[in-house]
Amino acid sequence: AQSVSQHNHHVILSEAASLELGCNYSYGGTVNLFWYVQYPGQHLQLLLKYFSGDPLVKGIKGFEAEFIKSKFSFNLRKPSVQWSDTAEYFCAGSGAGSYQLTFGKGTKLSVIP
Amino acid sequence: EAGVAQSPRYKIIEKRQSVAFWCNPISGHATLYWYQQILGQGPKLLIQFQNNGVVDDSQLPKDRFSAERLKGVDSTLKIQPAKLEDSAVYLCASSILAGALGETQYFGPGTRLLVL
Repeated sequence: AQSVSQHNHHVILSEAASLELGCNYSYGGTVNLFWYVQYPGQHLQLLLKYFSGDPLVKGIKGFEAEFIKSKFSFNLRKPSVQWSDTAEYFCAGSGAGSYQLTFGKGTKLSVIP
Repeated sequence: EAGVAQSPRYKIIEKRQSVAFWCNPISGHATLYWYQQILGQGPKLLIQFQNNGVVDDSQLPKDRFSAERLKGVDSTLKIQPAKLEDSAVYLCASSILAGALGETQYFGPGTRLLVL
């Protein structure tokens, strides 16, 4: 079965620290991968996505993610976090020919000023 | 551009009661999704519509959940009768098409349901 797993449930960082959130997927063949973010009191919104081409994807607010096919991973990174990055981050994927998004359980990020 | 609208935002009911949620997708979006998000988990797809037809309802508990999208725009999700384990946030999302490479789904604010 297709699945997406996120390893960290809650990450606490100080401002200016670097961030890396793990995401692994189990899909055969072509895969579309997404990172969504949910800021406190707001709805889910797209941070970035990968569907083909350059495996290093840049998103909004300085976030980026790298698709590593050999490791079945799509980790989210940011070199220097801000307090405003405090949110819950969800990795999601869909396989070729399937529009169904499968989400990971999410990672809560708390950034301490 | 207006986003996906949902109502109500919050609902508290007792078990065995019925409840309905409403969703208005982004104008022009052919595909509409309903997700259930239980506390501590990621959203899980319940049902997907393409225009007014059901594309995928394999994870919808059809003994108590129903959904419709009569005119290919607004949609309603109903639970009857509700159980304690239905307590969750119900998210509606829409996209322009379904299955297009890397297509983005746009989410509404959700309806938070508490079943007592």
